[in-house]
Amino acid sequence: AQSVAQPEDQVNVAEGNPLTVKCTYSVSGNPYLFWYVQYPNRGLQFLLKYITGDNLVKGSYGFEAEFNKSQTSFHLKKPSALVSDSALYFCAVRDPKTYKYIFGTGTRLKVLA
Amino acid sequence: SAVISQKPSRDICQRGTSLTIQCQVDSQVTMMFWYRQQPGQSLTLIATANQGSEATYESGFVIDKFPISRPNLTFSTLTVSNMSPEDSSIYLCSARTGGGGETQYFGPGTRLLVL
Repeated sequence: AQSVAQPEDQVNVAEGNPLTVKCTYSVSGNPYLFWYVQYPNRGLQFLLKYITGDNLVKGSYGFEAEFNKSQTSFHLKKPSALVSDSALYFCAVRDPKTYKYIFGTGTRLKVLA
Repeated sequence: SAVISQKPSRDICQRGTSLTIQCQVDSQVTMMFWYRQQPGQSLTLIATANQGSEATYESGFVIDKFPISRPNLTFSTLTVSNMSPEDSSIYLCSARTGGGGETQYFGPGTRLLVL
């Protein structure tokens, strides 16, 4: 079965430090991978996606993610965290058979001033 | 991209009543979805709203409880029927654009509290 895992419920990082939010996946075939962010009392906002091509994908708000096929990972990164980055982050993979998105359990990012 | 709006943004309802949530997309989209999310939790897909035909429901969700309409390519409604406190949740509308675009966009959500 297709699945996606976010092993960390919460990540704390100091403002100005680099941040990483982890995501691993299990899917047959070539994966379509996505990252979303959810601020309090808001819907999900699309950050970036990997479908094909360069393994390093750049997205909104200075975020990027690296697709690693051998490790089946798609970690979200940012070189310098901002307090305003504090939010709930979701990784998702598209099921190649049903075309439905499978969401991870979410990782709460807290950036400390 | 697609900009999605939902109405109402929040509501407090009495048990046994029904609430209809509206979802409007600013452009024609191929697929529309309804999700449920407990605050701070992951998303659970309720159903895929099919234009001009009955919605496709996920396991654990039935049409009698969550009737869905999609009369055209930009609009859908979800009704939460005969509500109980267990229905208190955030309901999210989502849409996927066509033309090979795989990105799925989300509305701001409807926060429902059932007393």
